[in-house]
Amino acid sequence: GQQLNQSPQSMFIQEGEDVSMNCTSSSIFNTWLWYKQDPGEGPVLLIALYKAGELTSNGRLTAQFGITRKDSFLNISASIPSDVGIYFCAAKTGTASKLTFGTGTRLQVTL
Amino acid sequence: DTGVSQDPRHKITKRGQNVTFRCDPISEHNRLYWYRQTLGQGPEFLTYFQNEAQLEKSRLLSDRFSAERPKGSFSTLEIQRTEQGDSAMYLCASTPAAGGSYEQYFGPGTRLTVT
Repeated sequence: GQQLNQSPQSMFIQEGEDVSMNCTSSSIFNTWLWYKQDPGEGPVLLIALYKAGELTSNGRLTAQFGITRKDSFLNISASIPSDVGIYFCAAKTGTASKLTFGTGTRLQVTL
Repeated sequence: DTGVSQDPRHKITKRGQNVTFRCDPISEHNRLYWYRQTLGQGPEFLTYFQNEAQLEKSRLLSDRFSAERPKGSFSTLEIQRTEQGDSAMYLCASTPAAGGSYEQYFGPGTRLTVT
């Protein structure tokens, strides 16, 4: 099935560094979301974006809904070891719609 | 714990056997979704319920798969005559009723291994 294009596929960073990842699509979506998934667990919602151009923060996380409605970005500032995991973007067209997920960005943090 | 719960967390079965998974959504969430996630991929949509009505099914949901939500609360996903390609994490998510955020909250998943 369709999946969103997410990059980078994986990242090794040092503790304290900032992280950026993005997600693109050939289709327009009305809601973009970012989830984090730990091994053997389900995805946990981090940030939800509802309007094109919207910039939303949740602690050290900041995400943006692209103006074309075909992309989104997630930034993590001052990374810490517990940021390790796989980050997925997801998008949908309507309030009750299914989610289409990205391929994931695996983040590993070294001390 | 008031989150989405799934049972079992892990299931190992032999090819050809039937398996059934259960999902209990967050209380009063009227929408319930099933997704499948294979190794190294993001979750892929399988099917969606609003209350007891199954409103959408993906092409991924072959004839061997069936999902129910008989009383609009918990849901079951059954796979008949399992194949090795069915090995995956099966995730359930639920969404608040109208007036809520509409965002999907996921359970911990059931990992199926078909030998």
